[in-house]
Amino acid sequence: GAVVSQHPSRVICKSGTSVKIECRSLDFQATTMFWYRQFPKQSLMLMATSNEGSKATYEQGVEKDKFLINHASLTLSTLTVTSAHPEDSSFYICSAPPPSVRQETQYFGPGTRLLVL
Amino acid sequence: GQQLNQSPQSMFIQEGEDVSMNCTSSSIFNTWLWYKQDPGEGPVLLIALYKAGELTSNGRLTAQFGITRKDSFLNISASIPSDVGIYFCAGQRITGTYKYIFGTGTRLKVLA
Repeated sequence: GAVVSQHPSRVICKSGTSVKIECRSLDFQATTMFWYRQFPKQSLMLMATSNEGSKATYEQGVEKDKFLINHASLTLSTLTVTSAHPEDSSFYICSAPPPSVRQETQYFGPGTRLLVL
Repeated sequence: GQQLNQSPQSMFIQEGEDVSMNCTSSSIFNTWLWYKQDPGEGPVLLIALYKAGELTSNGRLTAQFGITRKDSFLNISASIPSDVGIYFCAGQRITGTYKYIFGTGTRLKVLA
């Protein structure tokens, strides 16, 4: 089945540094990927839509200069949390719709847990 | 951001019991999906529903797309300990955009 991977699985960084999270579709190409954020014991909140070859689309209230998204190829999207602060600590999850099934269906990565000290 | 209302928020059940949970919205959705999330993992798709009234099963799981298109239900029959986890519904309002709105989640704990 379709597989989406993320790297790293967890990262700890100091406040003020930037962190890059990778999302890869392993056996299919994805022109669109999605980035979600999930705080402890809460639901997933869509942050942005990553579009291969064009700018990402951000949801209301998400700072595009804070969360930089680059969809460099049909199998890779990266989320960079710039100048991270403790309130950015969260579980970041990406997803992608594989072309071989109904495109309303998405497959999720295993998530990246970010802790900013 | 907007979320769908899920009920119950959490539940403890005995192994072997059936479980029911639902997801409601004030808006109409074109697609409903149910996911299960284990701690520290990404959500895994359980069932996808594409039209009003649709009833779909996946093993012991059965889900229905509400006839009003504003709700969906998930039932788990004969629960087992590995059913423990958080169940999320997700709705897609506009076909083809792939953008989901997630429910608030139902945390299930199964007592052996």
